[in-house]
Amino acid sequence: AQSVSQHNHHVILSEAASLELGCNYSYGGTVNLFWYVQYPGQHLQLLLKYFSGDPLVKGIKGFEAEFIKSKFSFNLRKPSVQWSDTAEYFCAVNAHNYGQNFVFGPGTRLSVLP
Amino acid sequence: DVKVTQSSRYLVKRTGEKVFLECVQDMDHENMFWYRQDPGLGLRLIYFSYDVKMKEKGDIPEGYSVSREKKERFSLILESASTNQTSMYLCASSQLDKDYGYTFGSGTRLTVV
Repeated sequence: AQSVSQHNHHVILSEAASLELGCNYSYGGTVNLFWYVQYPGQHLQLLLKYFSGDPLVKGIKGFEAEFIKSKFSFNLRKPSVQWSDTAEYFCAVNAHNYGQNFVFGPGTRLSVLP
Repeated sequence: DVKVTQSSRYLVKRTGEKVFLECVQDMDHENMFWYRQDPGLGLRLIYFSYDVKMKEKGDIPEGYSVSREKKERFSLILESASTNQTSMYLCASSQLDKDYGYTFGSGTRLTVV
């Protein structure tokens, strides 16, 4: 069965610090990869996605993620965080022969201190 | 703007009650999903549907059922609510081409007392 792990449960950073959130998945076949963000009191929103091509993908609000197939990883990065990035971040994976369903990681809560 | 609407933002129900959670999407999406979200566990798939009248069990279907009589509406039913079903319930939809990802509703926070 597919599984997705996220390295950190809770990350606390000061504004302007750099961010990297880890995501690893267990499936060995062709995958689509996603990062979702949930701001306090809001619904989950798509941050960025990878399904083919350049393994470095750029999303909204200055976020980017790098797909490293050999490491089964899809880490999320941002060079300089803002207080408004405080949210919960979820990595999700869809395997091409697993139908339409996504498997989500447990989430990482990011707190950015002003 | 595309939308997934969940009928209730907060619900409080008693143990043993039958509970209906409604989800409607206006994007003509084929796929619809119900997840529950719990701290430290992320999102876990309860049921999903790829078409009208079609339903499939997800990873944690016990104690739940679903109904999809129309393409735009996907209902989650708790047959006899229990306290361990207290959770945030999220509905999502997606196109047949799943590369576009999910669109989520705002969620229903259900408390069973």
